[in-house]
Amino acid sequence: ETGVTQTPRHLVMGMTNKKSLKCEQHLGHNAMYWYKQSAKKPLELMFVYSLEERVENNSVPSRFSPECPNSSHLFLHLHTLQPEDSALYLCASSQGSAPGSYEQYFGPGTRLTVT
Amino acid sequence: TQLLEQSPQFLSIQEGENLTVYCNSSSVFSSLQWYRQEPGEGPVLLVTVVTGGEVKKLKRLTFQFGDARKDSSLHITAAQPGDTGLYLCAGAPTEDNYGQNFVFGPGTRLSVLP
Repeated sequence: ETGVTQTPRHLVMGMTNKKSLKCEQHLGHNAMYWYKQSAKKPLELMFVYSLEERVENNSVPSRFSPECPNSSHLFLHLHTLQPEDSALYLCASSQGSAPGSYEQYFGPGTRLTVT
Repeated sequence: TQLLEQSPQFLSIQEGENLTVYCNSSSVFSSLQWYRQEPGEGPVLLVTVVTGGEVKKLKRLTFQFGDARKDSSLHITAAQPGDTGLYLCAGAPTEDNYGQNFVFGPGTRLSVLP
């Protein structure tokens, strides 16, 4: 596979469930990101990892827990979510911090519905 | 907080028409990216502009970065139904040493009718 892949593509979960979203990048990049995209809102950056270390956490509630075991994989663990957390969750990767390496490449997203 | 505004928010045109969408900010960006997102998919990178005043062409799409690197425009010539989608601009703030903290605009939703 090439590019950035995400699984599952669709997820429906109850408020008491625990689930995980998975992202894998095949681009040799060393930075990975989680974004939330809700209807009628701009993309919201949630977490940034560079070389497997978290470098950004944009005041995301603790019911979202990221994990980056290596530079190719990123997870988002979900527990006790709220209906307002229903959104498209996008993963992205980039080459990192060097000037001119800012392009982010996105996966297809996971459409999450919390019931 | 650095913000990017995009206009118009929605645009519906007939096939063959020309259009321009805008991305504006009061902040300076070290680079700016344009993405297109189709329903149910992630954004796909179209172009990156880095130099103030830069113009880049991608087939029927022309991208311009403002001289002050605060704004950008996307012009589409002879639009086709395949151009339909959400067009997002994203900027990398200059004071961001890592260049990883993008700011995204809310997008322009374009619909090209056959």
